[in-house]
Amino acid sequence: EAGVVQSPRYKIIEKKQPVAFWCNPISGHNTLYWYRQNLGQGPELLIRYENEEAVDDSQLPKDRFSAERLKGVDSTLKIQPAELGDSAVYLCASSLDQSGTSGTNTQYFGPGTRLTVL
Amino acid sequence: SQQGEEDPQALSIQEGENATMNCSYKTSINNLQWYRQNSGRGLVHLILIRSNEREKHSGRLRVTLDTSKKSSSLLITASRAADTASYFCATDAFVSGTYKYIFGTGTRLKVLA
Repeated sequence: EAGVVQSPRYKIIEKKQPVAFWCNPISGHNTLYWYRQNLGQGPELLIRYENEEAVDDSQLPKDRFSAERLKGVDSTLKIQPAELGDSAVYLCASSLDQSGTSGTNTQYFGPGTRLTVL
Repeated sequence: SQQGEEDPQALSIQEGENATMNCSYKTSINNLQWYRQNSGRGLVHLILIRSNEREKHSGRLRVTLDTSKKSSSLLITASRAADTASYFCATDAFVSGTYKYIFGTGTRLKVLA
Protein backbone atom coordinates (compact mmCIF):
# COMPACT_ATOMS: atom_id res chain seq x y z
CA GLU A 1 0.00 0.00 0.00
CA ALA A 2 1.36 3.42 -0.96
CA GLY A 3 1.93 5.87 1.85
CA VAL A 4 1.22 9.58 1.99
CA VAL A 5 2.89 11.30 -0.94
CA GLN A 6 4.11 14.88 -0.81
CA SER A 7 5.80 17.10 -3.32
CA PRO A 8 8.09 18.82 -3.66
CA ARG A 9 10.50 17.48 -1.03
CA TYR A 10 12.48 20.70 -0.95
CA LYS A 11 11.70 24.26 -1.97
CA ILE A 12 13.82 27.38 -1.79
CA ILE A 13 12.19 30.69 -2.59
CA GLU A 14 12.74 34.39 -2.09
CA LYS A 15 10.55 36.18 0.43
CA LYS A 16 7.31 37.60 -0.95
CA GLN A 17 7.13 34.82 -3.54
CA PRO A 18 4.25 32.34 -3.58
CA VAL A 19 4.72 28.63 -2.91
CA ALA A 20 2.47 25.59 -3.02
CA PHE A 21 2.71 22.12 -1.53
CA TRP A 22 0.82 19.07 -2.70
CA CYS A 23 -0.32 16.01 -0.77
CA ASN A 24 -1.89 12.72 -1.81
CA PRO A 25 -3.20 10.82 1.22
CA ILE A 26 -3.52 7.09 1.68
CA SER A 27 -6.40 5.71 -0.35
CA GLY A 28 -9.59 5.56 1.70
CA HIS A 29 -8.43 7.97 4.40
CA ASN A 30 -11.08 10.61 4.85
CA THR A 31 -9.16 12.83 7.24
CA LEU A 32 -6.23 14.90 6.04
CA TYR A 33 -3.96 17.13 8.09
CA TRP A 34 -1.39 19.78 7.30
CA TYR A 35 1.25 20.50 9.92
CA ARG A 36 4.15 22.88 10.18
CA GLN A 37 7.24 21.73 12.04
CA ASN A 38 9.93 24.17 13.06
CA LEU A 39 13.43 22.94 13.82
CA GLY A 40 13.61 21.15 17.15
CA GLN A 41 9.85 21.36 17.73
CA GLY A 42 6.88 19.07 17.40
CA PRO A 43 4.45 19.42 14.49
CA GLU A 44 1.78 22.10 14.85
CA LEU A 45 -1.55 21.58 13.16
CA LEU A 46 -2.44 24.11 10.48
CA ILE A 47 -5.64 22.62 9.10
CA ARG A 48 -7.67 19.42 9.25
CA TYR A 49 -10.05 18.17 6.58
CA GLU A 50 -12.86 15.67 6.88
CA ASN A 51 -13.39 14.72 3.25
CA GLU A 52 -13.47 18.08 1.46
CA GLU A 53 -14.56 20.12 4.47
CA ALA A 54 -12.03 22.08 6.52
CA VAL A 55 -13.22 21.30 10.05
CA ASP A 56 -10.37 22.89 11.98
CA ASP A 57 -8.41 25.77 10.49
CA SER A 58 -8.05 27.78 13.68
CA GLN A 59 -4.24 27.68 13.49
CA LEU A 60 -3.99 28.60 9.83
CA PRO A 61 -2.66 32.16 9.25
CA LYS A 62 -5.41 33.07 6.85
CA ASP A 63 -3.89 36.32 5.68
CA ARG A 64 -1.26 34.44 3.69
CA PHE A 65 -2.04 30.74 3.90
CA SER A 66 -4.76 28.90 2.03
CA ALA A 67 -5.60 25.27 1.49
CA GLU A 68 -7.98 23.22 -0.53
CA ARG A 69 -8.97 19.60 -0.83
CA LEU A 70 -10.95 19.20 -3.99
CA LYS A 71 -13.04 16.03 -4.27
CA GLY A 72 -11.90 15.02 -0.81
CA VAL A 73 -8.68 13.37 -1.95
CA ASP A 74 -5.56 15.38 -2.84
CA SER A 75 -4.83 18.61 -1.06
CA THR A 76 -2.80 21.74 -1.76
CA LEU A 77 -1.41 24.17 0.80
CA LYS A 78 -0.39 27.59 -0.48
CA ILE A 79 1.53 30.49 1.01
CA GLN A 80 1.33 33.88 -0.66
CA PRO A 81 3.41 35.85 -0.03
CA ALA A 82 6.02 33.86 1.85
CA GLU A 83 7.91 35.42 4.76
CA LEU A 84 11.25 34.51 6.30
CA GLY A 85 9.48 33.02 9.32
CA ASP A 86 7.66 30.51 7.11
CA SER A 87 10.83 28.48 6.73
CA ALA A 88 9.95 25.07 8.18
CA VAL A 89 9.00 21.53 7.21
CA TYR A 90 5.39 21.19 6.08
CA LEU A 91 3.98 17.77 6.83
CA CYS A 92 0.86 16.16 5.46
CA ALA A 93 -0.82 13.28 7.24
CA SER A 94 -3.96 11.23 6.78
CA SER A 95 -6.05 8.99 8.98
CA LEU A 96 -8.95 6.65 8.59
CA ASP A 97 -11.05 8.29 11.30
CA GLN A 98 -11.30 11.73 12.78
CA SER A 99 -10.25 12.98 16.19
CA GLY A 100 -12.52 12.11 19.06
CA THR A 101 -13.43 8.69 17.80
CA SER A 102 -12.74 5.45 19.61
CA GLY A 103 -9.08 5.40 18.79
CA THR A 104 -8.55 4.47 15.19
CA ASN A 105 -7.30 7.89 14.18
CA THR A 106 -3.67 6.91 13.86
CA GLN A 107 -2.05 9.38 11.53
CA TYR A 108 0.24 8.39 8.72
CA PHE A 109 2.72 11.03 7.69
CA GLY A 110 4.32 11.91 4.42
CA PRO A 111 8.05 12.76 4.21
CA GLY A 112 7.35 16.49 4.32
CA THR A 113 8.38 19.50 2.27
CA ARG A 114 11.31 21.47 3.61
CA LEU A 115 10.73 25.14 2.77
CA THR A 116 13.52 27.70 2.92
CA VAL A 117 12.59 31.34 2.47
CA LEU A 118 15.54 33.62 1.70
CA SER B 1 0.91 26.45 23.51
CA GLN B 2 1.45 22.80 22.81
CA GLN B 3 -0.47 20.28 24.84
CA GLY B 4 2.39 17.91 25.51
CA GLU B 5 5.62 18.59 27.25
CA GLU B 6 8.25 15.90 27.04
CA ASP B 7 11.01 15.11 29.39
CA PRO B 8 13.90 14.88 28.94
CA GLN B 9 14.44 17.08 25.89
CA ALA B 10 17.50 15.03 24.99
CA LEU B 11 18.79 11.64 26.09
CA SER B 12 22.02 9.86 25.29
CA ILE B 13 22.52 6.20 26.24
CA GLN B 14 24.66 3.21 25.36
CA GLU B 15 23.40 0.46 23.10
CA GLY B 16 21.66 -2.23 25.14
CA GLU B 17 20.46 0.16 27.84
CA ASN B 18 16.82 1.10 28.37
CA ALA B 19 15.48 4.53 27.45
CA THR B 20 12.56 6.17 29.20
CA MET B 21 10.77 9.25 27.97
CA ASN B 22 7.92 11.05 29.67
CA CYS B 23 5.06 13.13 28.35
CA SER B 24 2.73 15.40 30.32
CA TYR B 25 -0.43 16.96 28.99
CA LYS B 26 -3.03 19.44 30.17
CA THR B 27 -6.59 18.51 29.21
CA SER B 28 -8.71 15.38 29.05
CA ILE B 29 -7.82 13.07 26.21
CA ASN B 30 -9.40 10.39 24.05
CA ASN B 31 -6.11 8.64 23.44
CA LEU B 32 -2.37 9.24 23.42
CA GLN B 33 0.04 8.12 20.74
CA TRP B 34 3.78 7.97 20.41
CA TYR B 35 5.62 8.69 17.17
CA ARG B 36 9.23 8.42 16.07
CA GLN B 37 10.93 10.78 13.66
CA ASN B 38 14.27 10.04 12.12
CA SER B 39 16.35 12.99 10.99
CA GLY B 40 14.85 14.61 7.90
CA ARG B 41 11.96 12.17 7.71
CA GLY B 42 8.25 12.12 8.43
CA LEU B 43 6.80 10.75 11.63
CA VAL B 44 6.17 7.05 12.12
CA HIS B 45 3.44 5.81 14.43
CA LEU B 46 4.69 3.55 17.22
CA ILE B 47 1.85 2.84 19.59
CA LEU B 48 -1.57 4.10 20.69
CA ILE B 49 -2.99 3.89 24.19
CA ARG B 50 -6.60 4.73 24.91
CA SER B 51 -7.69 6.79 27.90
CA ASN B 52 -9.15 3.71 29.63
CA GLU B 53 -5.93 1.73 29.29
CA ARG B 54 -3.00 1.89 31.67
CA GLU B 55 -0.26 -0.03 29.87
CA LYS B 56 0.51 -1.39 26.42
CA HIS B 57 3.37 -3.31 24.92
CA SER B 58 4.64 -3.60 21.39
CA GLY B 59 7.89 -5.47 20.86
CA ARG B 60 10.58 -3.59 22.78
CA LEU B 61 8.20 -0.71 23.54
CA ARG B 62 6.19 -0.28 26.71
CA VAL B 63 3.83 2.63 27.18
CA THR B 64 2.05 3.61 30.36
CA LEU B 65 -0.71 6.14 30.86
CA ASP B 66 -1.75 7.79 34.12
CA THR B 67 -4.79 9.96 33.45
CA SER B 68 -4.91 11.16 37.05
CA LYS B 69 -1.46 12.68 36.63
CA LYS B 70 -2.02 13.52 32.97
CA SER B 71 1.20 11.80 32.02
CA SER B 72 2.54 8.98 29.88
CA SER B 73 5.88 7.25 29.56
CA LEU B 74 7.55 5.40 26.73
CA LEU B 75 10.13 2.76 27.59
CA ILE B 76 12.41 1.32 24.91
CA THR B 77 14.20 -1.76 26.19
CA ALA B 78 17.54 -3.07 24.94
CA SER B 79 18.09 -0.02 22.78
CA ARG B 80 19.86 -0.18 19.44
CA ALA B 81 21.73 2.42 17.42
CA ALA B 82 18.79 2.37 14.97
CA ASP B 83 16.55 3.71 17.75
CA THR B 84 18.34 7.05 17.48
CA ALA B 85 15.56 9.50 16.60
CA SER B 86 13.20 12.08 18.05
CA TYR B 87 10.18 10.73 19.88
CA PHE B 88 6.93 12.66 20.17
CA CYS B 89 3.78 12.07 22.13
CA ALA B 90 0.52 13.23 20.60
CA THR B 91 -2.78 13.59 22.38
CA ASP B 92 -6.24 13.42 20.90
CA ALA B 93 -7.42 16.12 23.26
CA PHE B 94 -10.67 17.99 23.80
CA VAL B 95 -9.71 21.64 23.42
CA SER B 96 -11.96 24.65 22.83
CA GLY B 97 -15.01 22.56 22.16
CA THR B 98 -13.49 20.12 19.70
CA TYR B 99 -11.02 17.28 19.53
CA LYS B 100 -7.59 18.31 18.40
CA TYR B 101 -4.48 16.29 17.73
CA ILE B 102 -1.65 17.98 19.59
CA PHE B 103 2.00 16.99 19.57
CA GLY B 104 4.51 17.42 22.33
CA THR B 105 7.91 19.05 22.06
CA GLY B 106 9.78 15.79 21.59
CA THR B 107 12.69 13.90 23.14
CA ARG B 108 15.84 13.52 21.07
CA LEU B 109 17.29 10.09 21.76
CA LYS B 110 20.82 9.16 20.81
CA VAL B 111 21.93 5.55 21.19
CA LEU B 112 25.67 5.11 21.10
CA ALA B 113 27.10 1.92 19.62
